[in-house]
Amino acid sequence: QVQLQESGPGLVKPSETLSLICTVSGGSIKGYFWSWIRQPPGKSLEWIGYIYDSGTTYFPSFKSRVTISVDTSKNQFSLRLSSVTAADTAVYYCAREGGGSFGAYDMWGQGTMVTVSS
Amino acid sequence: DVVLTQSPLSLPVTLGQPASISCRSTQSLVFRDGNTYLTWFQQRPGQSPRRLIYKVSNRDSGVPDRFSGSGSGTDFTLKISRVEAEDVGVYYCMQGTHWYTFGQGTKLEIK
Repeated sequence: QVQLQESGPGLVKPSETLSLICTVSGGSIKGYFWSWIRQPPGKSLEWIGYIYDSGTTYFPSFKSRVTISVDTSKNQFSLRLSSVTAADTAVYYCAREGGGSFGAYDMWGQGTMVTVSS
Repeated sequence: DVVLTQSPLSLPVTLGQPASISCRSTQSLVFRDGNTYLTWFQQRPGQSPRRLIYKVSNRDSGVPDRFSGSGSGTDFTLKISRVEAEDVGVYYCMQGTHWYTFGQGTKLEIK
């Protein structure tokens, strides 16, 4: 059974860089699209971007600030979001896209709350 | 960006009664490969989203058959034939045809 677990600081200062890691256990990270998705408090979900075999695609509204990378040796992928503001406060999820269907995330991490505040 | 508009945003339902959620897109969700990448998720309180339906009408294994998805082009619907207590939560539609965007969510509660 594949499991995903997000980790990283729960508090980030404005203008700094948010960094999170998603550890994939119970299966290989190879051969799937892996995404970061966030959910501001009380709001809907926002797709940030994905990585597949080291190739990345980012949602345009994040493109100038985001980097997603993968470490296959550790079965992990990561998110870096620079120049954060209070608007970046959210629960951040990592998720696996189910094969053959764009956006059909079949596996999710439990989510990690990140607060942007001084 | 493609905008998905869900209705209603709040859905009080009596146990055992049916429920229906609409998801309308500002553009057709038919991809160049002929598939329609419209997914429905359930998010129970305090939990991560869970996939229920993908490619409009394909129900995930383990999802009760009281859940069904339908629609085409720009109009889609999630139906629950008989609501149970465990169905309480927020339901999101999501499209993967033009980037990836989510609807605002529909909160289902028991009346």
